[in-house]
Amino acid sequence: DGGITQSPKYLFRKEGQNVTLSCEQNLNHDAMYWYRQDPGQGLRLIYYSQIVNDFQKGDIAEGYSVSREKKESFPLTVTSAQKNPTAFYLCASSISSAGPETQYFGPGTRLLVL
Amino acid sequence: AQSVSQHNHHVILSEAASLELGCNYSYGGTVNLFWYVQYPGQHLQLLLKYFSGDPLVKGIKGFEAEFIKSKFSFNLRKPSVQWSDTAEYFCAFLGMGRRALTFGSGTRLQVQP
Repeated sequence: DGGITQSPKYLFRKEGQNVTLSCEQNLNHDAMYWYRQDPGQGLRLIYYSQIVNDFQKGDIAEGYSVSREKKESFPLTVTSAQKNPTAFYLCASSISSAGPETQYFGPGTRLLVL
Repeated sequence: AQSVSQHNHHVILSEAASLELGCNYSYGGTVNLFWYVQYPGQHLQLLLKYFSGDPLVKGIKGFEAEFIKSKFSFNLRKPSVQWSDTAEYFCAFLGMGRRALTFGSGTRLQVQP
């Protein structure tokens, strides 16, 4: 059963704490993406990766970090520098980012601040 | 800057009514256009896409969209909605030189039985 998995479904963060959201895909896609979804604002791009060991900042990268050590994994860390982390985080992948490829989305992680 | 505008934030329709959701993008070059849907509690999934060719594209579940280049628009339509179409709909586009989608703010559709 191919697809994108994200864990956990819900995540709670305390003030000053870094938290890491997991994203795994078994679609053999080269490109992976992280978006943040806020009510009334649609999805905004945080980071993307076109290939292993490479990633680029998106529109709202401040306060976030990523790594891409394996093709199938693209974890996102929400650092203490992100002052408004409460949101729904969506991971996506596509065959590549070199052309107009369809992006496939995971189920999302909802991050809440305690 | 590349952007997408969805003018209808919340639409309420009765079953069997016709639907048209507006989407306008700001970008002067070649674009690839998408409509995604997010049903309650489910993944964001692709409804339809336009890359090239016939500007009228058909997607899943009876949805269609028309690309009108002169109007920078890609409106979503369905002749007769069902209660199961209740969801949030997102327009998105991919402009040349950009590696990820630019999304609109979404339209929440509520279909009343």
